[in-house]
Amino acid sequence: ETGVTQTPRHLVMGMTNKKSLKCEQHLGHNAMYWYKQSAKKPLELMFVYSLEERVENNSVPSRFSPECPNSSHLFLHLHTLQPEDSALYLCASSLRLETYTDTQYFGPGTRLTVL
Amino acid sequence: AQKITQTQPGMFVQEKEAVTLDCTYDTSDQSYGLFWYKQPSSGEMIFLIYQGSYDEQNATEGRYSLNFQKARKSANLVISASQLGDSAMYFCAMREGHTGGFKTIFGAGTRLFVKA
Repeated sequence: ETGVTQTPRHLVMGMTNKKSLKCEQHLGHNAMYWYKQSAKKPLELMFVYSLEERVENNSVPSRFSPECPNSSHLFLHLHTLQPEDSALYLCASSLRLETYTDTQYFGPGTRLTVL
Repeated sequence: AQKITQTQPGMFVQEKEAVTLDCTYDTSDQSYGLFWYKQPSSGEMIFLIYQGSYDEQNATEGRYSLNFQKARKSANLVISASQLGDSAMYFCAMREGHTGGFKTIFGAGTRLFVKA
């Protein structure tokens, strides 16, 4: 059983398209995260939600728009992306944000290619 | 300054042998957690092992153990009896307490190749 699922697994889109990435966690966690992983770069934290409230927005361009309708679901809406946005987008969840022992569990990722 | 340093971009190990992946960290916080993740070519980041800054014993999870040397600020991952399926990227990560805003910071990773 996979605790964190992501759809789609692969996405190819043009620069003028609008698409959405979906993440769902079945672990009963209260915090959810979006990360971007580009080739030869460390994992970049994009957004953090705790109990459906956004608590972190790491200077991410407005062409990325997150949405967290409840503690189990997280979306990343994409529009007018650039080729440099091509990357692996990873969703993660954790039990409780405000503790250093909090372990994040990741989904399988969406590999995005922007043409 | 980098907070998590993994100095080995790539490592080779013979199947059934043990291997140590290095990780050093930098923090002024007294409360922090250290994590190791495995990322196979499929992309998913798999949680392997956790060590808290106040834990006196080294963490172990099956074939994985964490060699925690607090004074040296190192948290090396030891994989015993390597298997072909251990070939993957391995990331060391740290989550600081209040001073770090409870963010998890990841290292650049080490790619492990297990040879048959």
